[in-house]
Amino acid sequence: EVQLVESGGGLVQPGGSLRLSCAASGFTYNSYAMTWVRQAPGKGLEWVSTISGSGGSAIYADSVKGRFTISRDNSKNTLYLQMNSLRAEDTAVYYCAKGPRSANNYNWFDAWGQGTLVTVSS
Amino acid sequence: EIVMTQSPATLSVSPGERATLSCRASQSVSSNLAWYQQEPGQAPRLLIYDASTRATGIPARFSGSGSGTEFTLTISSLQSEDFAVYYCQNYNNWPPCTFGQGTRLEIK
Repeated sequence: EVQLVESGGGLVQPGGSLRLSCAASGFTYNSYAMTWVRQAPGKGLEWVSTISGSGGSAIYADSVKGRFTISRDNSKNTLYLQMNSLRAEDTAVYYCAKGPRSANNYNWFDAWGQGTLVTVSS
Repeated sequence: EIVMTQSPATLSVSPGERATLSCRASQSVSSNLAWYQQEPGQAPRLLIYDASTRATGIPARFSGSGSGTEFTLTISSLQSEDFAVYYCQNYNNWPPCTFGQGTRLEIK
């Protein structure tokens, strides 16, 4: 059974940093692209970033480009999202999600974690 | 960026009846469209990909159709557990991949 478990969320001040993690199990981790999707309170889904199965290619939404960095450790089956220069509008539940293939494009998301809440507020 | 527009925003249907949800893309996405269900307080769940292929374990009462710019998710006979929010997602042209704003399916 595929399992994705996020951690690392919490309350951070504007301009601060946070690193999210997503521990994966139940599948051959390095064979699949992984993605972060966020959902602001009471709002819809917003794609944030996707990384290829090898970790060699990453893409970002314009809203986070230059501030967030996605990475993965395939030896630990873990996905990360380093978030810097956080803003109030980054407040959301952050989900990690598994893609159907190694390449980081043309992805739908066939498994999701339960999410971790990030609150940016002073 | 391709904009995905879902309609209606809220749909009220009685249990046992059919529900039809729509998703429109601002330009063609071929058949590169997925549908997700999200229950309150839960993560989204993949229902349909490639516009019409049911994901593993999804009941046959869920079906998807369409291509290009117009797509439909049909739930043939609503069960109590089907009342949730539904999102469509374009994965044809990215970055970025884009989601619709959601349709809330509520009990009539």
